Amino acid sequence: TQLLEQSPQFLSIQEGENLTVYCNSSSVFSSLQWYRQEPGEGPVLLVTVVTGGEVKKLKRLTFQFGDARKDSSLHITAAQPGDTGLYLCAGPTYGGATNKLIFGTGTLLAVQP
Amino acid sequence: GAVVSQHPSRVICKSGTSVKIECRSLDFQATTMFWYRQFPKQSLMLMATSNEGSKATYEQGVEKDKFLINHASLTLSTLTVTSAHPEDSSFYICSAGTFIALNYGYTFGSGTRLTVV
Repeated sequence: TQLLEQSPQFLSIQEGENLTVYCNSSSVFSSLQWYRQEPGEGPVLLVTVVTGGEVKKLKRLTFQFGDARKDSSLHITAAQPGDTGLYLCAGPTYGGATNKLIFGTGTLLAVQP
Repeated sequence: GAVVSQHPSRVICKSGTSVKIECRSLDFQATTMFWYRQFPKQSLMLMATSNEGSKATYEQGVEKDKFLINHASLTLSTLTVTSAHPEDSSFYICSAGTFIALNYGYTFGSGTRLTVV
């Protein structure tokens, strides 16, 4: 069973601070995705990383895929209250003919103004 | 872009009754639909995978007789929580798997908050 462990589980920071969220697995993934979810809504895709060592930037968010494709990180620079939410990494697992998407354990971020 | 419409967004039901949740792909055909369950402040847990026209595949520990999944068409999948109990109260989310351009992607519904009283 492929598992995705995220750390930290909870994070409360002040506006303007930087933070990094980690997503780790003992298994190799062909790709990893990062989602952000707000209460009562479905998750929204932020990015997909595919190549080992790949770095992608989305405004103040920087995503990295580990060289061995077993881990990924999300770095937020100068966090803002609007960044508050549940951050989830996710990766496809192959069961028969279906690519199931499994989610990491999640990181709940609260950015205080 | 691909859109999945999930209804209802909220439902309250009495213990012992059944509740049906619908997910529709609005502008594409979803050959595969995934159903997730999420408890407060926790991650999404995959419950089952359904392919159009065939029986759903349930994850370990998920009762298939309690969570009935039907995927009768390429645009509609339903999850029925049968004989609901308070411990079934949760946030249920569907996701359609489909090819977007040349890549396989997942489009999520907006979720259904089920409260069993």
